[in-house]
Amino acid sequence: GAVVSQHPSRVICKSGTSVKIECRSLDFQATTMFWYRQFPKQSLMLMATSNEGSKATYEQGVEKDKFLINHASLTLSTLTVTSAHPEDSSFYICSARDPYPGRTVYNEQFFGPGTRLTVL
Amino acid sequence: AQRVTQPEKLLSVFKGAPVELKCNYSYSGSPELFWYVQYSRQRLQLLLRHISRESIKGFTADLNKGETSFHLKKPFAQEEDSAMYYCAQTGANSKLTFGKGITLSVRP
Repeated sequence: GAVVSQHPSRVICKSGTSVKIECRSLDFQATTMFWYRQFPKQSLMLMATSNEGSKATYEQGVEKDKFLINHASLTLSTLTVTSAHPEDSSFYICSARDPYPGRTVYNEQFFGPGTRLTVL
Repeated sequence: AQRVTQPEKLLSVFKGAPVELKCNYSYSGSPELFWYVQYSRQRLQLLLRHISRESIKGFTADLNKGETSFHLKKPFAQEEDSAMYYCAQTGANSKLTFGKGITLSVRP
């Protein structure tokens, strides 16, 4: 249980185009999902917290108009990188938190496999 | 601001040797501390958290509030322990802050 999927796993796009990444919780409902960015050989950096039915909360320095987040249902959050540029190339990882403490470790985040974005 | 420090990038040991992966945190309240592991070509997964006070795959970690540390230890390393290990903490806002991670390489 507690599986999180991401789609696509890898995407290559041209500079100036927009790319959408999906994050799904497969067997539980996630009111909160998180989006991280990971540069090569570096740590995960939290970009934003995605809340079902409300606006995402962005971390300082993350452009909300650049990285659009939509959490339209309890099992799906999407991250859209708008007008992508080569500097947006990175590994994007989402996670979801199962809010029910009886089933898993409370506050535990379950991570997706990540999406490798390459902008040419 | 929360900060998690993992001072080393790489630790290479022989099979059967003891392992200690260091982690220091900066949150002054009552943090939750975690160790996450990422095996080759796999996703990040929780290894253990300080509240559980349990041993997972032979690993233990004790929260030392005086030294603000949460070092991960295993008395006898196995080859299958080779992976990337991240220390992380949450504070009052429940957001995870990760350290930079350390690569553990266990040689036969």
